[in-house]
Amino acid sequence: NAGVTQTPKFQVLKTGQSMTLQCAQDMNHEYMSWYRQDPGMGLRLIHYSVGAGITDQGEVPNGYNVSRSTTEDFPLRLLSAAPSQTSVYFCASRGAGGSYNEQFFGPGTRLTVL
Amino acid sequence: KNQVEQSPQSLIILEGKNCTLQCNYTVSPFSNLRWYKQDTGRGPVSLTIMTFSENTKSNGRYTATLDADTKQSSLHITASQLSDSASYICVVAHNNAGNMLTFGGGTRLMVKP
Repeated sequence: NAGVTQTPKFQVLKTGQSMTLQCAQDMNHEYMSWYRQDPGMGLRLIHYSVGAGITDQGEVPNGYNVSRSTTEDFPLRLLSAAPSQTSVYFCASRGAGGSYNEQFFGPGTRLTVL
Repeated sequence: KNQVEQSPQSLIILEGKNCTLQCNYTVSPFSNLRWYKQDTGRGPVSLTIMTFSENTKSNGRYTATLDADTKQSSLHITASQLSDSASYICVVAHNNAGNMLTFGGGTRLMVKP
């Protein structure tokens, strides 16, 4: 199993550009989520999905869109990038059964917005 | 406000020594507490998880403790190795659904030879 994969690993954008961060998992997990990690701060939840076709907002959803057309994929879209979105983005997945089940994280995407 | 505070922010120890990392939380309600290890440039990896009724949980050289009354947890690393150099993150779940998690800012540990 590849686990949780993310692409790209690094990305530089100009203010106003849009892009999609890709996330895929091969563990047949129902629950997937996106986090951002900023220096000195804990990870913050952007959006999450409890299954194909179902998404919901997390703590910091503004400026981001998600969709979940398949169990495997959960892309994160930046509509109009802003310098405040410079961060490291992590995708995670977890099987059904609640928060006691381990959440597996991808390797991250380091995004810089100029 | 739900918060998870970790201390120290950073720590340097010599290889072979023990160390203890602290986590204080004000999260309510409480479902479980998990410690993660995050290597530089990688995603977090779970070390241990404890529910309200568990006081201690071990994973090899890592031992986590939980005092639900004082809302404190600690992660003790025994006989540190160079590969223990990483950030250690404390995470508290508010509910069992898993969408309500509060992450601490982490403790950055460096183990020197």
